[in-house]
Amino acid sequence: GAVVSQHPSRVICKSGTSVKIECRSLDFQATTMFWYRQFPKQSLMLMATSNEGSKATYEQGVEKDKFLINHASLTLSTLTVTSAHPEDSSFYICSARVPELNYGYTFGSGTRLTVV
Amino acid sequence: AQTVTQSQPEMSVQEAETVTLSCTYDTSESNYYLFWYKQPPSRQMILVIRQEAYKQQNATENRFSVNFQKAAKSFSLKISDSQLGDTAMYFCAFGNNFNKFYFGSGTKLNVKP
Repeated sequence: GAVVSQHPSRVICKSGTSVKIECRSLDFQATTMFWYRQFPKQSLMLMATSNEGSKATYEQGVEKDKFLINHASLTLSTLTVTSAHPEDSSFYICSARVPELNYGYTFGSGTRLTVV
Repeated sequence: AQTVTQSQPEMSVQEAETVTLSCTYDTSESNYYLFWYKQPPSRQMILVIRQEAYKQQNATENRFSVNFQKAAKSFSLKISDSQLGDTAMYFCAFGNNFNKFYFGSGTKLNVKP
């Protein structure tokens, strides 16, 4: 149980285009989702926290207009990388808190974004 | 601000041996949680073990156990009877009451046959 499905797993896009990444909670309601970015051989860096029905909270240094986060339902959160550039190439991972588990979190399988 | 430090970028251990991964953290909060996550080559984050800061007893999960020293702000992971499938990146993480996670830089563990 407590699975977060993340799609796509890999995406290649042209510079200047936008890419949407989806995370769906399959068997629980995710009121809060977290979006992370991971550079090669580095740790996960929290980008933003999204709460269902409200605006996302971004970490310092993360461009709100470039990384649009939508959490319109209790089972779906999306991250849209707008006007992507090669420096946006990275591994993006979502995570959701599982209400039934005491301080339990589950992670999506990640999306490798390559901007060419 | 919370910081999590893993001072061992890479470690190796022979199969069936025991290995300890180090983690220290810094926080001014009194109530928090500590985690060890495993990230195999698939990049999927897998929870290994979790410790509530208010609990003095060290958490254990089968072959995995922690040595939690709250005063020293230390949270090491011991893997007993290492298996080839334990080969992965291991991240120590700190979670606060605002549900924010702060990850260490990771330790790459290689289990050798």
